[in-house]
Amino acid sequence: GAGVSQSPSNKVTEKGKDVELRCDPISGHTALYWYRQSLGQGLEFLIYFQGNSAPDKSGLPSDRFSAERTGGSVSTLTIQRTQQEDSAVYLCASSLGTGPSQPQHFGDGTRLSIL
Amino acid sequence: QKEVEQNSGPLSVPEGAIASLNCTYSDRGSQSFFWYRQYSGKSPELIMFIYSNGDKEDGRFTAQLNKASQYVSLLIRDSQPSDSATYLCAVRMGPSDMRFGAGTRLTVKP
Repeated sequence: GAGVSQSPSNKVTEKGKDVELRCDPISGHTALYWYRQSLGQGLEFLIYFQGNSAPDKSGLPSDRFSAERTGGSVSTLTIQRTQQEDSAVYLCASSLGTGPSQPQHFGDGTRLSIL
Repeated sequence: QKEVEQNSGPLSVPEGAIASLNCTYSDRGSQSFFWYRQYSGKSPELIMFIYSNGDKEDGRFTAQLNKASQYVSLLIRDSQPSDSATYLCAVRMGPSDMRFGAGTRLTVKP
């Protein structure tokens, strides 16, 4: 079956531009997460969506970052006025639920490079 | 203190040996524990998870959990060169709260 799909796989843009990253979770998965992974680092939590509940935005590093999830499925992460420190791999994950035994399944990520 | 700590490695073992990967966590209320494997330039893929004290085996992999010591480990038996990757320990502390360690880089030498 289809896994978590992310697009684009690579994005190179100039400092100051806005970028939009897309995530299509596994069908039926109600929980969706965004993470950021810098080179050689662990995963940094950004935002979490669960069903129709208000998202947990506690991990967003600044107000330049925002995300939405339409219809409880596809999510977009938007970074406005990009900075060089935004360069990283942005990973999306989804899970069937949020119970203790529900693992997250990751997409292949979007590698973002800010020039 | 970091919430999830792993030895960054690199950990090097010969082919056929047992690789032992360790992880400690700070939150005693943590509910479940996951091990992911991440090849260079790829996304993390789930190996296994555990949420009860003791051992859980799946093929060549065994996860061990000791909640009293706040310690979780992953053993890889009969290590293969294809096991060479970074292994991420993840701890679920709440519905939206999954914390990842920085990972341990494992190299299996033929």
